[in-house]
Amino acid sequence: DTQMTQSPSTVSASVGDRVVITCRATQSISNWLAWYQQKPGRAPKLLIYRTSTLQTGVPSRFSGSGSGTEFTLTISSLQPDDFATYYCQQYSGYVFTFGPGTKVDFK
Amino acid sequence: EVELVESGGGLVQPGGFLRLSCAVSGIRVSDKHMNWVRQTPGKGPEWVSTIFSGGGIHYTDSVKGRFTISRHTSQNMVYLQMNNLRPEDTAVYYCTTCDSGRLAFDLWGQGTVVTVPS
Repeated sequence: DTQMTQSPSTVSASVGDRVVITCRATQSISNWLAWYQQKPGRAPKLLIYRTSTLQTGVPSRFSGSGSGTEFTLTISSLQPDDFATYYCQQYSGYVFTFGPGTKVDFK
Repeated sequence: EVELVESGGGLVQPGGFLRLSCAVSGIRVSDKHMNWVRQTPGKGPEWVSTIFSGGGIHYTDSVKGRFTISRHTSQNMVYLQMNNLRPEDTAVYYCTTCDSGRLAFDLWGQGTVVTVPS
């Protein structure tokens, strides 16, 4: 099965910063790559699916890109509501796999 | 408005069993791929099982032979029968939906906690 890694594991940032999170797969995957945001005590929230398509209601400061084995989530200008943990997730061969997460905290 | 409400979690001894339920409103369980995803504190979510809208069923390797996913279309419910529970099954279990256009989990319930002490 395809395994996922994320980097960095933690990013310390300030409001207004551009934040980039990378997700890597152990083998080439199609564009079935999604990103989630999770806050403490809450269920994950879908932000992006199919590598780059924003889920309805997600602000346009979030964007996704990538192909093959390397994908990125970019937050163009970090807002107070964006401090959270972010997970990537892939689908292939009837298996879904999540990454270990990247925590975005206050610098 | 779509809502997923899980129930059935609890404390169970190793080797025991639980049946999780997911009450679904706002959509038909037969129209979406219905899933169980679990998460332990401080770790990423882990996909457990999917029942596809067409009826196909898949499990993560660690629960094969122990867990069974099912749906009851007339009651609009999804279930996860969990047998021979292990301490490593301890987690918050979420009921989620996805569809073929996303293959990502677009809706989540609030979760139900399963604890299997070691």
